[in-house]
Amino acid sequence: GESVGLHLPTLSVQEGDNSIINCAYSNSASDYFIWYKQESGKGPQFIIDIRSNMDKRQGQRVTVLLNKTVKHLSLQIAATQPGDSAVYFCAEPANPSGSARQLTFGSGTQLTVLP
Amino acid sequence: DTGVSQDPRHKITKRGQNVTFRCDPISEHNRLYWYRQTLGQGPEFLTYFQNEAQLEKSRLLSDRFSAERPKGSFSTLEIQRTEQGDSAMYLCASSGSLGNGYTFGSGTRLTVV
Repeated sequence: GESVGLHLPTLSVQEGDNSIINCAYSNSASDYFIWYKQESGKGPQFIIDIRSNMDKRQGQRVTVLLNKTVKHLSLQIAATQPGDSAVYFCAEPANPSGSARQLTFGSGTQLTVLP
Repeated sequence: DTGVSQDPRHKITKRGQNVTFRCDPISEHNRLYWYRQTLGQGPEFLTYFQNEAQLEKSRLLSDRFSAERPKGSFSTLEIQRTEQGDSAMYLCASSGSLGNGYTFGSGTRLTVV
């Protein structure tokens, strides 16, 4: 079936370096994608989304890149800070043609920022 | 209204007991979702309300699970005859009619012993 997956379950980066978190998706009909950040003991927090008619979108210190040719999504975090340590999920609509907008989440990447 | 509130934050119950969780969404949001998350996994969709109508239910939602949103505001999720496999974080999220992202609550962590 269709699925959203992540290439790496864990990622460690030095404070101040840039982080890149990757995600592969398989539903070519998905019309948007979302990145969430989840800190320990908290619910997922919306970071940034991107529509399928875009290939790049920038936020504050974050950039999402979408490559529809290879069905790949990435989240880039600039100048990674200790507060960025969390699990990051990509998500896509479970039923792109539906109105409910329920999401299918990947299993997540644990980002650890080293001092 | 600062976000989505869930109560309780933690619940420990004995197998076979019933439990009920409450979610208060952002007041202007008409869409409400329940998700379940087990350790090391992403959230999995359980059910969706638009206003007071429950419009979608996942196959994960067995007949021991029931959710309500009687006045289109807060929602409750009840699990009857709990089993150890029900142990998980239960997340509630809400969204408005526009935009794609949800706002999640902090979840209710259920432990069935």
